[in-house]
Amino acid sequence: EVQLVQSGAEVKKPGESLKISCKGSGYSFIRYWIGWVRQMPGKGLEWMGIINPGDSDTRYSPSFQGQVTISADKSISTAYLQWSSLKASDTAMYYCARSVPAGHPSHWFDPWGQGTLVTVSS
Amino acid sequence: DIQMTQSPSSLSASVGDRLTITCRASQSISSYLNWYQQKPGKAPKLLIYAASSLQSGVPSRFSGSGSGTDFTLTISSLQPEDFATYYCQQSYSTLYTFGQGTKLEIK
Repeated sequence: EVQLVQSGAEVKKPGESLKISCKGSGYSFIRYWIGWVRQMPGKGLEWMGIINPGDSDTRYSPSFQGQVTISADKSISTAYLQWSSLKASDTAMYYCARSVPAGHPSHWFDPWGQGTLVTVSS
Repeated sequence: DIQMTQSPSSLSASVGDRLTITCRASQSISSYLNWYQQKPGKAPKLLIYAASSLQSGVPSRFSGSGSGTDFTLTISSLQPEDFATYYCQQSYSTLYTFGQGTKLEIK
């Protein structure tokens, strides 16, 4: 079974750093792009960025470029989303999702991880 | 950036109804359009990819159509488990924008 399992909920203070994870299993991790999506409380889905774990090619939404870093460790089939200095406005649910094989002309996301709730509060 | 606009933003319907949700792109995106369903407290689930291809395991009452700028998601006969929020997403450009969502509630 193809599965993405995300790390647990986090409560942080403004200014702190954070790295959350997304571990893939049941498929060849290096073959498929992994994307990250933000959902703020009561709001819709926002696409943040995507990484090819095979070669670490990474693309960011302009809204998130410079605000977060997406990375992957193919040796442990895990993708990461990290912040160097959190803000209260980063409070949200964050989802990872598997996309298509590298080289595919289009992208769609399936399956999704269960989500990681990040709360930033002083 | 390509903007995706869904209509309506919310609607009420009854079990057994036929329902259509519309998604419009700000420029042509060919058939690079996906649909997702999200239930409260759950991760989104892929329903339709490439505008009209039904994802494996998704009931056949769901269907998608359209190309260019105008797309539709149709549910042929609403079931109780279909009451959720639906999102379209374009994958034409690298910025894979979502629509704002359509919340489907029970009448």
